Amino acid sequence: AQSVTQLDSHVSVSEGTPVLLRCNYSSSYSPSLFWYVQHPNKGLQLLLKYTSAATLVKGINGFEAEFKKSETSFHLTKPSAHMSDAAEYFCVVSDRRDTGTASKLTFGTGTRLQVTL
Amino acid sequence: NAGVTQTPKFRILKIGQSMTLQCTQDMNHNYMYWYRQDPGMGLKLIYYSVGAGITDKGEVPNGYNVSRSTTEDFPLRLELAAPSQTSVYFCASSYSPGQPYEQYFGPGTRLTVT
Repeated sequence: AQSVTQLDSHVSVSEGTPVLLRCNYSSSYSPSLFWYVQHPNKGLQLLLKYTSAATLVKGINGFEAEFKKSETSFHLTKPSAHMSDAAEYFCVVSDRRDTGTASKLTFGTGTRLQVTL
Repeated sequence: NAGVTQTPKFRILKIGQSMTLQCTQDMNHNYMYWYRQDPGMGLKLIYYSVGAGITDKGEVPNGYNVSRSTTEDFPLRLELAAPSQTSVYFCASSYSPGQPYEQYFGPGTRLTVT
């Protein structure tokens, strides 16, 4: 069984300040972890993924996330927020034991990032 | 390369009506998925397919049916629409195992049942 908890439903930052979106996961096996972004009325776009290589993962648009097994966390960060970062962000876990079957993703409930001037 | 495309973008149905949501991908992915997204929630898996002719239930399959006659297409059928099926529906596809398990999503279909 696997689950994801996004600790904040809403985060507000000023443009140019750091972003931190928190995610904790639970998985019976070695997980793959993802962050997806959803802009208003759009589909989901992959920001970055962790699949057992480097624990610090760099993604698109300056985002990165660090896999911490001891804390079962995969927090998303960005040094400096931009207005265009305003969107919904989903932390997602996939049980990599699913090799040979369709990968089933478990989604968190999302964090809405607001960026103010 | 259009990726994953979905039609229609929006639809309003009356209770008891039927409709099919279309999904097509041009990336030659074996795996395809249907999700629904309710307000303030993450995505829930409705059905998935590991290849043409093979489908299986996800977390919330009741009230839906699917078929997969080709690699490219994975339509989702609502037979007797109910207000509880008001949602945004996303289709996704992914590579075969051995690749990272990322999924590629379509733009979604916003369905309202009244």
